[in-house]
Amino acid sequence: DTEVTQTPKHLVMGMTNKKSLKCEQHMGHRAMYWYKQKAKKPPELMFVYSYEKLSINESVPSRFSPECPNSSLLNLHLHALQPEDSALYLCASSQAETSYEQYFGPGTRLTVT
Amino acid sequence: QQPVQSPQAVILREGEDAVINCSSSKALYSVHWYRQKHGEAPVFLMILLKGGEQKGHDKISASFNEKKQQSSLYLTASQLSYSGTYFCGTGSYNTDKLIFGTGTRLQVFP
Repeated sequence: DTEVTQTPKHLVMGMTNKKSLKCEQHMGHRAMYWYKQKAKKPPELMFVYSYEKLSINESVPSRFSPECPNSSLLNLHLHALQPEDSALYLCASSQAETSYEQYFGPGTRLTVT
Repeated sequence: QQPVQSPQAVILREGEDAVINCSSSKALYSVHWYRQKHGEAPVFLMILLKGGEQKGHDKISASFNEKKQQSSLYLTASQLSYSGTYFCGTGSYNTDKLIFGTGTRLQVFP
């Protein structure tokens, strides 16, 4: 099974809402990632978890809060977002960091109103 | 320091060949190649780890020149299914993160 699943597929939220994005993989991968992708742009790395610990935070605003409850799950908690945060949020996993291919989930299309 | 890809866009007829280049200003340890179709997630194509390494499967291959900090993706006898945006992703020695290149949009027509 080489699948990374993400829920929800679409999310519309107001600037005062709190919501969470979920990501799951069952490939035994030890690294998991959150990326943000704007239209016609490459994915931008937000966070990296390695062996369930946060290893990279790309100076992401605190209104985005990642969580890794276990080796298969990755959450992204959202609070007080801005309209410019509207984007496709991609989760990915790999056997370990950098030297291994990353498998991407289908993404969550987020719209902040 | 985002890797720069060239060309930005390519239009091909089925059966034609294309080369996509990826150039970095940083010393590279690895280069990944991904293809993303519209509205879908990026899909892994291949990874190159050593200087001067060349890899390929079917009609898609790639090379990595560590000294020049460059990689190229070669698409031969293109098929309609090759259409999409191609991204290189580069890994450097002093960081564990992958940085994606500017992207190359490839369209293949019958």
